[in-house]
Order: sequence, then structure tokens, then C-alpha cells
Amino acid sequence: NAGVTQTPKFQVLKTGQSMTLQCAQDMNHNSMYWYRQDPGMGLRLIYYSASEGTTDKGEVPNGYNVSRLNKREFSLRLESAAPSQTSVYFCASSYHDSSNQPQHFGDGTRLSIL
Amino acid sequence: QKEVEQDPGPLSVPEGAIVSLNCTYSNSAFQYFMWYRQYSRKGPELLMYTYSSGNKEDGRFTAQVDKSSKYISLFIRDSQPSDSATYLCAIRYGNKLVFGAGTILRVKS
Repeated sequence: NAGVTQTPKFQVLKTGQSMTLQCAQDMNHNSMYWYRQDPGMGLRLIYYSASEGTTDKGEVPNGYNVSRLNKREFSLRLESAAPSQTSVYFCASSYHDSSNQPQHFGDGTRLSIL
Repeated sequence: QKEVEQDPGPLSVPEGAIVSLNCTYSNSAFQYFMWYRQYSRKGPELLMYTYSSGNKEDGRFTAQVDKSSKYISLFIRDSQPSDSATYLCAIRYGNKLVFGAGTILRVKS
């Protein structure tokens, strides 16, 4: 089982460039999430989609946009990349966005912005 | 003050040791408690999940929650080199999931 698949795995951008990170899940989950992970900061929620057709801001949404393309796919876009967005980005999914539903993660996209 | 505090380590132990990993939290509304394991260059994977005070056991792993002290622990018995990873606690209330920064564990053979 693939679970949560993220592409690309690595990317280097120049400041000001744009990029879209892709995420797809094959677990028939309704809810999907984008996190960033920085040293000493833990995982911080950027945006989430509780169900197909809805998206909401998380803790650190500035500089990002998202699209819930369909039930399986949830993309994250950086319109004008900044060095502060250098991070590891994780996509996650859960059956529902409720307290008793654990989230399952992909293996991340490592993004460096020069 | 962070909502969830976790000692970053690294914690280095010999093979076979009992490991204790801990988190404290500040919000008494937190309801669900999880431990994730993250290997280098991989995504977090769910290890343990509980919502009540007390202990929950799964093989060599035991998760302990003390809501009165706002303290959660993960114990690993008979630790193995393959347990070397970063361990993240995660705590949830409503639609908010808050992660600790993670503790790096190294088990030496």
C-alpha cells in the first residue's frame, strides 16, 4: 500500500520562484493536511482540508496556497519562494478531521530556497 | 510557553535498556495523546494512541498519560538499535493537533 505519496522528494529554488508540492493518498481518507518541520520547532500546520471542497488556514499559512483537487489529492503552492520557507514539508491524511482520528504522513519534500 | 514541551535529547542508551520519553503540556482541554516515530528522512509513523489516563501497552511499547500532571510518557522495553529514531508526542483537542519538537533516541549495540 502506497499510503500518502509526496512529490518531489527534493527541490532547490531561487528566491522569488514559484513551485507546487503534490500529495496524493490512496486510503479513501476525507481529511488532508500540510505541515512544515523545522529544527527545534516540531511540525506546524500550514493548511488543511477537512473534506473535499473545503480548505482552512493552520498555524503558519502566510506565503502558501492550497488546492484540494479531489478526494485523493491536495497540493501546496509557494507563489514567491523566500529563504524562510526552506523546510521539510509533510502531507498527512486522516479518515475524518476529528479528535479520535490519527493522521498518517508521507515521507516529505525537502525544499531549499537560495 | 509552548503548548507541548519535549526534551530534544539526544538520548543515548545501550541495547536492552528501558527507555523513557516524556512530554508535558499546558492545556487541560487536550483529549487525545499520540506518539509518533520518525526515522531519518522519513515521515512520522503512528506508534501509540490513547485518550484516557493510565497505561496502554503494545508489545515493547507502553504509553502512559497523567492528565492531573499534564504529563505523558512512552516507555520502550528491551530497546533495539532499530528503535533509534526521533520520537514525537502529539496531543489533540477539537480539530487542533499540537506536536512536540521530538526527542532523538540512539540505541547503541
